[in-house]
Amino acid sequence: AQTVTQSQPEMSVQEAETVTLSCTYDTSESDYYLFWYKQPPSRQMILVIRQEAYKQQNATENRFSVNFQKAAKSFSLKISDSQLGDAAMYFCAYVLTQGGSEKLVFGKGTKLTVNP
Amino acid sequence: DTAVSQTPKYLVTQMGNDKSIKCEQNLGHDTMYWYKQDSKKFLKIMFSYNNKELIINETVPNRFSPKSPDKAHLNLHINSLELGDSAVYFCASSHRGAGELFFGEGSRLTVL
Repeated sequence: AQTVTQSQPEMSVQEAETVTLSCTYDTSESDYYLFWYKQPPSRQMILVIRQEAYKQQNATENRFSVNFQKAAKSFSLKISDSQLGDAAMYFCAYVLTQGGSEKLVFGKGTKLTVNP
Repeated sequence: DTAVSQTPKYLVTQMGNDKSIKCEQNLGHDTMYWYKQDSKKFLKIMFSYNNKELIINETVPNRFSPKSPDKAHLNLHINSLELGDSAVYFCASSHRGAGELFFGEGSRLTVL
């Protein structure tokens, strides 16, 4: 089964500090996409960052960066200079392609608290 | 301009009733989805349509019937609502092969 595992149900960080959220996934494919989505209390699902598996360079979006380890099937998210607005549920996701169809498979999420 | 819009945002109803949630996207995407987020925040795909054709049906009860009148719209009708149907339902869209999903704001369904 193709799965996405987020081993940290909850994390907390002090404002302005750095935090890393973990994600591992299971796939037999060689080319695929990985994503981190953020869901604040407003419940809107917001794309934070994406990584294409064929790219060795880790994706970066401002204060958000990933550590993509393809062989280990690991895709962690680092948030630098944490801000109060970063408090949210964070979901790691993987695009599963099956029989010509695509679907995004999500981990169970990590709730991030940012302390002032 | 809202890219993926769902209506209604909130829905409270009694067990046994029938209700619908509508979704529209103006991104020109060819694929649309319904996801269910349960009380533990777990997101699971229910259906996927590509150019009005049902592509994915993830063992969802027959009481749930999606309909796609055109590739910009995907509606979800639920018959004989049960307590366990209470959840947030997200509509999403994408370009096939691009991977990234664009989500609506979600529709919170509460069944009493």
